[in-house]
Amino acid sequence: AQSVTQLGSHVSVSEGALVLLRCNYSSSVPPYLFWYVQYPNQGLQLLLKYTSAATLVKGINGFEAEFKKSETSFHLTKPSAHMSDAAEYFCAATTYGGSQGNLIFGKGTKLSVKP
Amino acid sequence: EAGVAQSPRYKIIEKRQSVAFWCNPISGHATLYWYQQILGQGPKLLIQFQNNGVVDDSQLPKDRFSAERLKGVDSTLKIQPAKLEDSAVYLCASSSGTSGVVDTQYFGPGTRLTVL
Repeated sequence: AQSVTQLGSHVSVSEGALVLLRCNYSSSVPPYLFWYVQYPNQGLQLLLKYTSAATLVKGINGFEAEFKKSETSFHLTKPSAHMSDAAEYFCAATTYGGSQGNLIFGKGTKLSVKP
Repeated sequence: EAGVAQSPRYKIIEKRQSVAFWCNPISGHATLYWYQQILGQGPKLLIQFQNNGVVDDSQLPKDRFSAERLKGVDSTLKIQPAKLEDSAVYLCASSSGTSGVVDTQYFGPGTRLTVL
């Protein structure tokens, strides 16, 4: 069965520091992979998605993620954290294309940014 | 473009009562999803509609949960009777259903349900 694991339920960084949020997936077939961000009392917003094109995917707000098949990973990075990045981040996967996307989510990582 | 609308935003009920949530997807989006997000966990798909037909309801507890999408636009999710473990945020999402690769799902703000 497909699953998504996010290492670290809470990550804290200083403003201006590198952000690294880890995501590993298990899938018997190549997946499509996503990162979503959720601000308090709001719905999920798509940051970026991997759809088997380029392995390095650039998203909004300066985030990017790299698909590494050998490591079954799709870690999210941002070179310099900003206070506004404080939120919860979810990694998700699906093996279906088109509108059949049953997203399997990880448990989420809450990012705190210290001034 | 207006986003996915959900109401109410918050609901508190006693166990064994019934409750209904409403979702209005982005205009023109053929696919609609309902997710349950329990505190400390990622969202879990409950049901997926393509227009007004059900695509996947394998994780919907059908003894107490029901959902419909009349006319292929708005949708309602109902719980009857509610249990304590139903306390969660219920998220609605929609996608265009036209992408040849993989559709982006757009999420509403959610309805936070507390069952006492």
